[in-house]
Amino acid sequence: AQTVTQSQPEMSVQEAETVTLSCTYDTSESNYYLFWYKQPPSRQMILVIRQEAYKQQNATENRFSVNFQKAAKSFSLKISDSQLGDTAMYFCAFGHFGNEKLTFGTGTRLTIIP
Amino acid sequence: DAGVIQSPRHEVTEMGQEVTLRCKPISGHDYLFWYRQTMMRGLELLIYFNNNVPIDDSGMPEDRFSAKMPNASFSTLKIQPSEPRDSAVYFCASSPNLGGGNTGELFFGEGSRLTVL
Repeated sequence: AQTVTQSQPEMSVQEAETVTLSCTYDTSESNYYLFWYKQPPSRQMILVIRQEAYKQQNATENRFSVNFQKAAKSFSLKISDSQLGDTAMYFCAFGHFGNEKLTFGTGTRLTIIP
Repeated sequence: DAGVIQSPRHEVTEMGQEVTLRCKPISGHDYLFWYRQTMMRGLELLIYFNNNVPIDDSGMPEDRFSAKMPNASFSTLKIQPSEPRDSAVYFCASSPNLGGGNTGELFFGEGSRLTVL
């Protein structure tokens, strides 16, 4: 069974700073996806970024980028120039090809301080 | 396009009552998922469907929980009888078939917050 671990329950940074959220996972699969979802106080889960395991290049979406280390089974999220609207719970998630369900980590609560 | 629609947004009920949560997936999506979110256990997959057929219900906590998908545009999650420990946010999510441009992403509804007194 796959497991996803987020070791930082809470983090806070000043606005405009850069912050990195950690995620590790455990799997015996070779083809899989990794995701970061954001859950703001409104509660809806919103996809931030995704990475396919077969791609060596780290995914980037505007201010959000990942550091995907496949051998180490690590998938961290970097938020640059953090904004107040980035305040949310962030969940790392794993899914493997051919099985559509996702396994989620326990989340990291990120607070951006004005 | 409308997203995944869930109802009710909030439900407060008393122990022993029946609770029905509803979900309308995104049109054209073949997969539908029910997740439960609590502080203690995080996001847990309860059950998921493919083309209206339940594929994996191993996450359903006990017989008090049941889920149905009578057609491609509607699913229900029912708890009968409800207990205080069922208090949680229940999310419905959908995704397209692998051949339909599936990128592995799940599209979530806004969740139904259930409080059982």
